[in-house]
Amino acid sequence: QSALTQPASVSGSPGQSITISCTGTSSDVGGYNYVSWYQQHPGKAPKLMIYDVSKRPSGVSNRFSGSKSGNTASLTISGLQAEDEADYYCCSYAGSSTFVFGGGTKLTVL
Amino acid sequence: EVQLVESGGGLVQPGGSLRLSCAASGFTFSDHYMDWVRQAPGKGLEWVGRTRNKANSYTTEYAASVKGRFTISRDDSKNSLYLQMNSLKTEDTAVYYCAREPAAIPRRYFDYWGQGTLVTVSS
Repeated sequence: QSALTQPASVSGSPGQSITISCTGTSSDVGGYNYVSWYQQHPGKAPKLMIYDVSKRPSGVSNRFSGSKSGNTASLTISGLQAEDEADYYCCSYAGSSTFVFGGGTKLTVL
Repeated sequence: EVQLVESGGGLVQPGGSLRLSCAASGFTFSDHYMDWVRQAPGKGLEWVGRTRNKANSYTTEYAASVKGRFTISRDDSKNSLYLQMNSLKTEDTAVYYCAREPAAIPRRYFDYWGQGTLVTVSS
């Protein structure tokens, strides 16, 4: 499968909201409600932020939210904080017990 | 506390082999599907493959890029996951992470990750 398409970078000021898109096809993002999002700080392991399109694991701030429309999923971070600066990856179930990730988006908090 | 600790990475020549391990603790390892995900230097994440649990016959799935060269196995008695990598190519150079899928069905995401181990394939 081809990687899901994410913008290479997004930025925002503290307190603002940003949205990261994740575009796939009807064989992955559009075909299943199994999109997840991961936050990765430099040199660290990825951390689960959103699963099943819009569900938040316990301990993850409610400033993080997810949604999906057609073949595009989105991660929205509201009330941006300095600690949110990181790389963000989307991931979708792609059928036949396989997964596909997005190329990643670097979030800069100005 | 859930912990996943990878080991076994290092420098290997093209065409060579390497076996990675992932030691799990803090949860009932045998209940969970387990996966390997890799990240080439400066690049994004790539799913490598998964092993199901005993209840699902330990069956495995692989990404097309590694199928036939990589083998995932597990030893529930040792709470350990393995990745045997053969016929390594320079493009396999990456940090390899082990990741846990949740026990509850449907298992379609990775709720815990290890810190990763670096594999460098170079002559």
